[in-house]
Amino acid sequence: AQKVTQAQTEISVVEKEDVTLDCVYETRDTTYYLFWYKQPPSGELVFLIRRNSFDEQNEISGRYSWNFQKSTSSFNFTITASQVVDSAVYFCALSGHSNTGNQFYFGTGTSLTVIP
Amino acid sequence: ETGVTQSPTHLIKTRGQQVTLRCSSQSGHNTVSWYQQALGQGPQFIFQYYREEENGRGNFPPRFSGLQFPNYSSELNVNALELDDSALYLCASSPAVAPPYNEQFFGPGTRLTVL
Repeated sequence: AQKVTQAQTEISVVEKEDVTLDCVYETRDTTYYLFWYKQPPSGELVFLIRRNSFDEQNEISGRYSWNFQKSTSSFNFTITASQVVDSAVYFCALSGHSNTGNQFYFGTGTSLTVIP
Repeated sequence: ETGVTQSPTHLIKTRGQQVTLRCSSQSGHNTVSWYQQALGQGPQFIFQYYREEENGRGNFPPRFSGLQFPNYSSELNVNALELDDSALYLCASSPAVAPPYNEQFFGPGTRLTVL
């Protein structure tokens, strides 16, 4: 079965603290892609990052960093020095190709609140 | 560059009615996916269209159907509406490279309420 689990339902941090959002996935595909999206209160999902299953190189982009580990099927996301504008729901997603075509799976999201 | 647009923004229907939601993909994108997002949940994949053909489908009944037009805009049709169909319906488009490997760009959604 293909599945994305975000065990953290809600997280609150004080501004300037670092915060890590966890994502664990399950898939039988050998080729797949992982994504992080942000959904602010306005409702529109905003793309943050994509990683393919062959690229375990971790990345830092400004205050954001990602840790992809195939051995533990995890794709965690860290915000350094959090800001109030980071308050949103963050979704981890998995995409792959099955015998019924393309499939996309989102986790249930982690609601992040950054307190000023 | 125009992003993904959806219409209408909000819609109220009664149980048993039919509804059509519309989506215009971002310029240059030939793939459109539809999602249902219930309150407090993550988006659930309904189906995807690639060059006017259905290219993948999630676990939704046949009363959820779709179309993609030559200009790559798309419609989602839901027949025999049920109360549980109340949700935010999101459309996403992807660039003109074979899916599912591309990031998707989402529209603002249509909030459907079924009474």
